[in-house]
Amino acid sequence: EVQLVQSGVEVKKPGDFLKISCKTSGYIFPNYWIAWMRQMPGKGLEWMGFVHPGNSEIRYIPSFQGQVTISADRSISTAYLQWSSLKASDTALYYCGASLTTPTFDTWGQGTLVTVSS
Amino acid sequence: QSALTQPASVSGSPGQSITISCSGTASDVGAYNYVSWYQHHPGKAPQLIIYSVDHRPSGVSTRFSGSKSVNTASLTISGLQADDEADYYCTSHTTSGTHVFGTGTKVTVL
Repeated sequence: EVQLVQSGVEVKKPGDFLKISCKTSGYIFPNYWIAWMRQMPGKGLEWMGFVHPGNSEIRYIPSFQGQVTISADRSISTAYLQWSSLKASDTALYYCGASLTTPTFDTWGQGTLVTVSS
Repeated sequence: QSALTQPASVSGSPGQSITISCSGTASDVGAYNYVSWYQHHPGKAPQLIIYSVDHRPSGVSTRFSGSKSVNTASLTISGLQADDEADYYCTSHTTSGTHVFGTGTKVTVL
């Protein structure tokens, strides 16, 4: 069974470092793109960036370039999204997804809620 | 890259059909046949209901259908049901090698 299991709820302060994870199983991790997207409170869905674990190619949506770092560890079939210095505006629900059976992202994690507040 | 334009809300009575539009440009919707639609209940993982303009993933109801004309894609829900009440988002591949979402449409079943 294919699964994308994301790390749990995070409550952080502005300026904190944070790395959230997306642990995958049930498929060949290096072969498929992983995406990260966010939903800020009361707002719509936004793509943040994409990583191909097989060749380590990473593509960022321009508005997120330099704001976050996306990575993947093939040895443990896990993708990551990290911030070096969180802002209150990073408060959101973050989802990872994989493009497994269609030309788009068809399989999703359960989401990770990140709250940044002083 | 600007978000694709969707109506903020669409409503219909049970059994009716509704259509949600998704307006883009020649750099996204019009560039490829890679428009997809997600159904999203807030706080839950989004569900892919249409990909490649008009293809349904396995298990998705035939009441959902998609189409595209030039730079505008559309999602039609026929035989509207109470559990269709959700947010719907279109998304498209772009010529810059990434993806872009639509602004989202809240569907209300009256």
